[in-house]
Amino acid sequence: AQSVAQPEDQVNVAEGNPLTVKCTYSVSGNPYLFWYVQYPNRGLQFLLKYITGDNLVKGSYGFEAEFNKSQTSFHLKKPSALVSDSALYFCAVINAGNMLTFGGGTRLMVKP
Amino acid sequence: ETGVTQTPRHLVMGMTNKKSLKCEQHLGHNAMYWYKQSAKKPLELMFVYNFKEQTENNSVPSRFSPECPNSSHLFLHLHTLQPEDSALYLCASSSGSNQPQHFGDGTRLSIL
Repeated sequence: AQSVAQPEDQVNVAEGNPLTVKCTYSVSGNPYLFWYVQYPNRGLQFLLKYITGDNLVKGSYGFEAEFNKSQTSFHLKKPSALVSDSALYFCAVINAGNMLTFGGGTRLMVKP
Repeated sequence: ETGVTQTPRHLVMGMTNKKSLKCEQHLGHNAMYWYKQSAKKPLELMFVYNFKEQTENNSVPSRFSPECPNSSHLFLHLHTLQPEDSALYLCASSSGSNQPQHFGDGTRLSIL
C-alpha cells in the first residue's frame, strides 16, 4: 500500500521569507510524486512533479521540491514567500499500477 | 482556466431528491476521476474511468452512480443522499494514470 504524510496542518511564514512544506511518502517501487495547490473555492492545481532524473524539481509560481530517496521525502520549497501563496497544498504519490494517493493537506499562511 | 468544467458549482438538495453532477474536459485526456473533499478529511477517490470504462470504484455507496458516455464527459448521479454526503465533489482528468491530473473547480453539495 502507498501512503503520503504531511505532518503539518498549517505553516506560517512572513512575506519575503523562505518557506518549506513537508511531505514524506511510503510506496513500493519507484515513486511518482506531485504537488498541488488549492485556492479557496477552486479545484486543485498542479504545481510540479518528480518522475525521474534530477532530484530538484522546479515548478509553477517559483516553487520547487527536492526528492530525497533515503529520507522518502519530497518537501516543497520557495525562496521568498508571497501573501498570494497562501493556500492549501497537497502532496501526492503514485507508483505503477496504482491510483494517486493524496496527503491530508497543509495550509500555508503568508503574513505581510 | 484548467480545461475541466464542472456544473453546477453549488447544489442544495433534500435527501429524497435525484440530481446529477456534470464534468466536461476538452484536453484530449482519456482518464477521468471523481473525488470527494470533506472538511478535515483527506481527498477521497471515488471513481476512475479510462477510455469510458470504469476501472476503479473505491467502495462508494450505491446512492452515487457514475456515468461516462464518452471520453470528454463524466456524470455523477445522486439519489437518496445522506447529510454526511455534503462535501465538495471534484472532477479531474489526465492523459494517463501516472500523469498530472487537471481538476475542475468542484460542485459544493449540501444535503438538507
